[in-house]
Amino acid sequence: GAGVSQSPSNKVTEKGKDVELRCDPISGHTALYWYRQRLGQGLEFLIYFQGNSAPDKSGLPSDRFSAERTGESVSTLTIQRTQQEDSAVYLCASSLARGPLHFGNGTRLTVT
Amino acid sequence: TQLLEQSPQFLSIQEGENLTVYCNSSSVFSSLQWYRQEPGEGPVLLVTVVTGGEVKKLKRLTFQFGDARKDSSLHITAAQPGDTGLYLCAGAQGGATNKLIFGTGTLLAVQP
Repeated sequence: GAGVSQSPSNKVTEKGKDVELRCDPISGHTALYWYRQRLGQGLEFLIYFQGNSAPDKSGLPSDRFSAERTGESVSTLTIQRTQQEDSAVYLCASSLARGPLHFGNGTRLTVT
Repeated sequence: TQLLEQSPQFLSIQEGENLTVYCNSSSVFSSLQWYRQEPGEGPVLLVTVVTGGEVKKLKRLTFQFGDARKDSSLHITAAQPGDTGLYLCAGAQGGATNKLIFGTGTLLAVQP
């Protein structure tokens, strides 16, 4: 595809349920990033994958959050036992090893 | 923890006015990027500055990287309604990682 694709674009879930968010990066991009953005605010780093290196998980806010990436393609961000404070837009980006980040349009997660 | 503080947080101005947005940190970054984000979309890269003291111009936008590579500014001349959006600075740590730390954001509204 031409850009980074994220699905779903919107997700409403009940407190306590698990959710999976998907990111399809630009083909050939070795690096993939997940960020969280609360309304009108900056981006909070969650996790960074670079090639075959161990991912940088230093931004994951709790052990309820995890992410996987299959090779240099699709990534899924999983949030277990969702809480209301998890409500935010989750943004995925990809890049070449040293290039600028290309973002998807995000998944808006609402926990009721 | 590296933090990038942006000021002001919100800015509402009339078309034709000039404005400056600041991005400050106590940490040194190998490079700094500026992004603009519109509602419902991911951030889009505007510019990357790498050298301390570097100034880059993009039409009516002027970006400067501080001499010590800890801060940056974005100046917009004769703002237009199309400049409306969330402006984000992002610092790169350098080394083997391409991970970016994003600033707190400046929400700009340009009234016609």
